[in-house]
Formats: sequence, C-alpha cells, structure tokens
Amino acid sequence: GQSLEQPSEVTAVEGAIVQINCTYQTSGFYGLSWYQQHDGGAPTFLSYNGLDGLEETGRFSSFLSRSDSYGYLLLQELQMKDSASYFCAPGNTPLVFGKGTRLSVIA
Amino acid sequence: ETGVTQTPRHLVMGMTNKKSLKCEQHLGHNAMYWYKQSAKKPLELMFVYSLEERVENNSVPSRFSPECPNSSHLFLHLHTLQPEDSALYLCASSRTGHSYNEQFFGPGTRLTVL
Repeated sequence: GQSLEQPSEVTAVEGAIVQINCTYQTSGFYGLSWYQQHDGGAPTFLSYNGLDGLEETGRFSSFLSRSDSYGYLLLQELQMKDSASYFCAPGNTPLVFGKGTRLSVIA
Repeated sequence: ETGVTQTPRHLVMGMTNKKSLKCEQHLGHNAMYWYKQSAKKPLELMFVYSLEERVENNSVPSRFSPECPNSSHLFLHLHTLQPEDSALYLCASSRTGHSYNEQFFGPGTRLTVL
C-alpha cells in the first residue's frame, strides 16, 4: 500500500525559515518531488530528489533520506507570495500526491 | 500558445448532460494525465496516457471516459455525472510517464454538477 504524511497547515512570519516535512510509504520508489499550488492556480513543480541529500534552488531546498522514507522542503527568507499549498509526491510510476501543506506567511 | 491549456475553464452541467473537457499540450511531451482536485482532498490521479496508450486507470467510474487521439491532445468525456463529481479537473503532461519527470499542469476546469 501507499501512505503519505505531511502537516496540513503551517504559519510562519515573513523573512523566517520554514520546513515542511513529508514521510511516505510506497511500493517502489523513484525519488521525491515537491509541487507548489497557489489558491486558484495549478500546481507547479519545485524540486526533485532522486538521491539522498539536499538539493538547493534559490530560496528553496529539498532534502531526502531514502532509508528513513522522509524528506522535507525548506523555504528561506519567506515572502508573502510563498503563501500556498505545498505537495510532496513520492515517485512511483505514476506520482502519488499527498494532501498538501497549506503555508500561510504573515507580516 | 505554449504550455498546457484546458478548455473550458468553467463548466456547469446537469446530471443528464454530456460534455467534454479538452486538454492540449505544446511541449512535445509523451505522457498526459487527468487529475481531480476536490476541496480539502489530495490531488487524485484519474488517468495516465503514455504514447497515446492508457497506462493507468485509478478505479474511475465509467461516467468519466478519457480519449487521447494523439500525444498533444487529451479529452475527458463526461456523462450522467453526480453532484459529488463537482471539482477542479486538472490536466498535466510530462516528457515521459516516469515519475521523475516534471509534470506541467494546465489551469484546470472548474466543474459544477447540478
């Protein structure tokens, strides 16, 4: 079977750092992807970790530990525009999306 | 036009109507997907097409019928829907059907079934 856990909501202050965790159980695994979705918008790809470790793309970083079936998305220097839902998607074929974490950035 | 487009953007239909959703991708991708997104629920994968062949059907009721005439176009034919089918229907495409490929999503069709 497959299961996926990530927090449903997170609130953080503008300029701060926030970490969104994701734990998963899948039959077959090909890496972990992260997607962002603003209200009323379509999901957009943020990152993919195929191997263990940290991937950095600007203010966003993503981490994967395959032995722990765990990953996280790290958002630094938070901006108001980062308020959105963030989905982790463990890679099987095809992707399985979690329920998402709603991030609210406050002033 | 670039990216993934979907039409219509909004659709209201009665339970006895028949309608179709259209998706088109201009990215040269070989895989296309239909997802359903309801309020406070995860994205639910409905169908996957790879090289115009259906490779995934996630136990979707037969009142939803997909069609992929070529690698650039994907349709979702709707008939005798139920009010609980009201949702945002998202189309996506990727270079191949493998999960490590980035998926590009269209803007979605907001469907309301009366």
